[in-house]
Amino acid sequence: DADVTQTPRNRITKTGKRIMLECSQTKGHDRMYWYRQDPGLGLRLIYYSFDVKDINKGEISDGYSVSRQAQAKFSLSLESAIPNQTALYFCATSDWDRGRPGGYYEQYFGPGTRLTVT
Amino acid sequence: AQSVAQPEDQVNVAEGNPLTVKCTYSVSGNPYLFWYVQYPNRGLQFLLKYITGDNLVKGSYGFEAEFNKSQTSFHLKKPSALVSDSALYFCAVRESRGSTLGRLYFGRGTQLTVWP
Repeated sequence: DADVTQTPRNRITKTGKRIMLECSQTKGHDRMYWYRQDPGLGLRLIYYSFDVKDINKGEISDGYSVSRQAQAKFSLSLESAIPNQTALYFCATSDWDRGRPGGYYEQYFGPGTRLTVT
Repeated sequence: AQSVAQPEDQVNVAEGNPLTVKCTYSVSGNPYLFWYVQYPNRGLQFLLKYITGDNLVKGSYGFEAEFNKSQTSFHLKKPSALVSDSALYFCAVRESRGSTLGRLYFGRGTQLTVWP
């Protein structure tokens, strides 16, 4: 989706290095998410953010940190990369409307960042 | 706890034949259910969702899904498969109560291959 962009698209790094993955969106959504995808495991939530001041851990946050620099930007950092963090990483966004059934709109995903830690 | 099961890692079907990709879910309240598709080297694309109302929901690219509360299932279907439907399909669920963050729980994915 061109509305959600991720940089870089591919990255190879060495064990112990710090790396940042960036996500930007032009959809004007408040909610942003970081997932990782591993073959046979589906998508697992790393961190999510309701707005600039609200950041929450997902199910697999250990070894990761995030920064919500603005409504449109949500970055994921690996402070000291390790090989089992090799995966495909996706950023997603969604809108929210308390008056809507479920209050919830579908999530829109970026194209992904393929990260390899050697 | 919420969970989604996609019992088939792979589904193979001939072009023109009907296809079904299975999904069952487990939530403590009423579910909100979603299907996404992932083409190679692409992000996930939303196909359809069930929130409330008719059990049969229609989505993009001719896909539909049937919500069955008694069987806790939300199978994805298409009457006539196309080769271009070949992709990885994910089912996802969210509870209707409790946390309001919109967090989704994804299945492991089903690889659909449609051969000519």
